[in-house]
Order: sequence, then structure tokens, then C-alpha cells
Amino acid sequence: KQEVTQIPAALSVPEGENLVLNCSFTDSAIYNLQWFRQDPGKGLTSLLLIQSSQREQTSGRLNASLDKSSGRSTLYIAASQPGDSATYLCAVRSYAGNNRKLIWGLGTSLAVNP
Amino acid sequence: DGGITQSPKYLFRKEGQNVTLSCEQNLNHDAMYWYRQDPGQGLRLIYYSQIVNDFQKGDIAEGYSVSREKKESFPLTVTSAQKNPTAFYLCASSIDVGPDNQPQHFGDGTRLSIL
Repeated sequence: KQEVTQIPAALSVPEGENLVLNCSFTDSAIYNLQWFRQDPGKGLTSLLLIQSSQREQTSGRLNASLDKSSGRSTLYIAASQPGDSATYLCAVRSYAGNNRKLIWGLGTSLAVNP
Repeated sequence: DGGITQSPKYLFRKEGQNVTLSCEQNLNHDAMYWYRQDPGQGLRLIYYSQIVNDFQKGDIAEGYSVSREKKESFPLTVTSAQKNPTAFYLCASSIDVGPDNQPQHFGDGTRLSIL
């Protein structure tokens, strides 16, 4: 059974710092992995999607990497800003079972302090 | 602008009452989903639909019902059989349910509480 874990659960950093959020999964047979952002009381915004054949994806100050063999993904945020404060969620789509659904982590709550 | 609209933003349910949450999308997506989000738990899939007039149960479908009469609309009814309905409900859509390179787009959610 696929399980997704995100560490740390919460993170507080000063503005301008580079930071890394971690996502691990137990079954390496995945189609893709997605990173989302959720602001308080809001829906989710898709940030990056990495297909199983890819090693990384970049969008602006965000870079997501994928290492299937070790069951890990990282989301790197460069030069963090207060506007980056949000909860970051990762989700994987697995081969096993119902591949029409995503398996979600609990998220990392990020606070970037001015 | 294309997107997903959920309404209402806040909803209150009385004992024994059914309530319906609205979800409309103008992205021309075939697939639509309903999730429930509770503190300390990951998102859980309630129902999903691949095409009009078709829908499938997710992990926690008991106490919920859906319909898909139009491509743009996927309403969720929380029935009186759902004994713990207080949660944040999120609707999402994607081009289809195929596994490759299909990011899901989300609405802003409906927060349901018990009166």
C-alpha cells in the first residue's frame, strides 16, 4: 500500500533563505508525483508535476526533484519570500491498485518571516 | 478566466438534513473529483467521474452521493447518513483520469459545519 510522508510538518525561516521540503513514498512504482500549494482556507494550486521518467522540473524559483529508487522527492524554494508562506502538499499516482487516484501527504506548513 | 467554482463557501447542516455542494468548471475537462480534507489527515477521495453520466466511488463514499448530468457540473450531496460531515470539501478536475501528466485543478473549497 502506497504511503506518502512529508517532513518537516512545519517550517519557519527568515526571508531570503533557500529551503528544501521533503516528500517520501513507500512504493517506487509511480506514474508521477505532484507538488501543490494551499493557502489557508483555500483550494490547492498545482506547482509542479514530475513524470516517473523525469528527474526534475523547474518553475521560477521552484525546483522539484524525483528519485524513484529511493522513494523521495524534494521541493527546493530559492530566495524565499513572505508570499511563499503556505502549506505545501505532495501527491503520487501509483501503478498499484486504483491508478485513477492520488495518494496524498499531510503537507509541510511553511512560514517565511520578513 | 477558466477555472473551477465551488459554492457556497460556507455551509451549515442541521440534524437529518441533506445538503448539496456545487462544483462547476469551464476548463472543458472530462474528469472531476470530490475530496474531503480534515485536520491531520491527507486529502481523501469521495467520488470521481470520468465522463458525463458516469461516476465511481472513492475511498470514503458512504453517506455521500453525486451526479454528472453535464460535463461542467459535478454536485456533491452530503446525506443525513454521513454522521461526521464537518470538513473542508474540495472539488477538482483534470483533462481525463489517465495517469500521465494530468495535473488536477482545484476549486476554493466549501467548509461544511454542523448546526
